[in-house]
Amino acid sequence: EAGVAQSPRYKIIEKRQSVAFWCNPISGHATLYWYQQILGQGPKLLIQFQNNGVVDDSQLPKDRFSAERLKGVDSTLKIQPAKLEDSAVYLCASSPPRGSPSSYEQYFGPGTRLTVT
Amino acid sequence: AQSVSQHNHHVILSEAASLELGCNYSYGGTVNLFWYVQYPGQHLQLLLKYFSGDPLVKGIKGFEAEFIKSKFSFNLRKPSVQWSDTAEYFCAVTVHTNAGKSTFGDGTTLTVKP
Repeated sequence: EAGVAQSPRYKIIEKRQSVAFWCNPISGHATLYWYQQILGQGPKLLIQFQNNGVVDDSQLPKDRFSAERLKGVDSTLKIQPAKLEDSAVYLCASSPPRGSPSSYEQYFGPGTRLTVT
Repeated sequence: AQSVSQHNHHVILSEAASLELGCNYSYGGTVNLFWYVQYPGQHLQLLLKYFSGDPLVKGIKGFEAEFIKSKFSFNLRKPSVQWSDTAEYFCAVTVHTNAGKSTFGDGTTLTVKP
């Protein structure tokens, strides 16, 4: 089974520029998560999708961050404009459908390391 | 809102030593509890989980964790660590009534000296 795919793996941009990250979850996984992981901290949930609907985006800075999951499969996360404090690893994860034995287990991608200068 | 606290930021052990990493969470309702591990250069991956039933759960590579509801704790243990256990370990809690929202601790870096 193919894992969660993310691209790009690394990105360096200047502040005030925009950037987009892409995630393709494991086939059949209904739940998709985007996390921000700042160095020395644990992953912080930005947004959670169930199929193509948002179930939690309470920690997403909506003035600059946006995310979509068209057709309930792959997803993009965008930052516009970027700030220095956005430098972090952005992780995508997916989980099997609710009701399956492993429905709350998360499978993570390799992450995108963003550096804002 | 739920929160997770991992007490040790960095643990250094010699091979064959015993390991216990602390994890406490704050939430009064039903939770699922997880330990994830990130080996150097690899993705975060599931180590073990607690959903219900026996509070002592076993995971991969000889790890186990005990859920103590009265203490809101889910500590990770291994009787004898190996050099290959060097990694970062994250405790996480998922709340069913909050759309399955997960909260992670800040992680513990384990270094095992050969």
